[in-house]
Amino acid sequence: SAVISQKPSRDICQRGTSLTIQCQVDSQVTMMFWYRQQPGQSLTLIATANQGSEATYESGFVIDKFPISRPNLTFSTLTVSNMSPEDSSIYLCSVSVEGGTEAFFGQGTRLTVV
Amino acid sequence: KQEVTQIPAALSVPEGENLVLNCSFTDSAIYNLQWFRQDPGKGLTSLLLIQSSQREQTSGRLNASLDKSSGRSTLYIAASQPGDSATYLCAVGRGWQFYFGTGTSLTVIP
Repeated sequence: SAVISQKPSRDICQRGTSLTIQCQVDSQVTMMFWYRQQPGQSLTLIATANQGSEATYESGFVIDKFPISRPNLTFSTLTVSNMSPEDSSIYLCSVSVEGGTEAFFGQGTRLTVV
Repeated sequence: KQEVTQIPAALSVPEGENLVLNCSFTDSAIYNLQWFRQDPGKGLTSLLLIQSSQREQTSGRLNASLDKSSGRSTLYIAASQPGDSATYLCAVGRGWQFYFGTGTSLTVIP
């Protein structure tokens, strides 16, 4: 299994500002994933973060809006840039130890943009 | 693209009742299926993982089944308790990617 710590757990931000969310895992993992959960919706994958290479973004998400860093095998950050109220969501970090196995999630970051 | 649907969207039952949550998916070429629980405003807690070669998994009062050929999974909760109140999500895995359903919001009434 994997234990994931995500910071901050929640934040209220002004429109036009940026927020960086941190995800720390207690073991080395190859792949880390960032999801968004808009109010009343299910989870949507934003991007896959690979150590040593650029993140792979899903359709509808771009690097300028959601830059991601993956400096090592236990840590990743997601930045939500130039925020608008539409970015108000829960952002979740997830890992799998290897492909085809169980996914583990952090407790999420609840972001409100005012 | 894989699409995952969960029925019902919401369910309210009296304490002690047995219940079934349903999940269906469109592409049967999956590696596994995972059931999660999400409490309001929180992250996801993994409940059960079923590999594509398995038909069911059990943990305590929970039993999940998988019929890959028909694209269906069910989560059976026995003797429901108020603490079971949460949103239940199913996620279908293929490789590293998981596709999530829309969830079933469960309320167990004391």
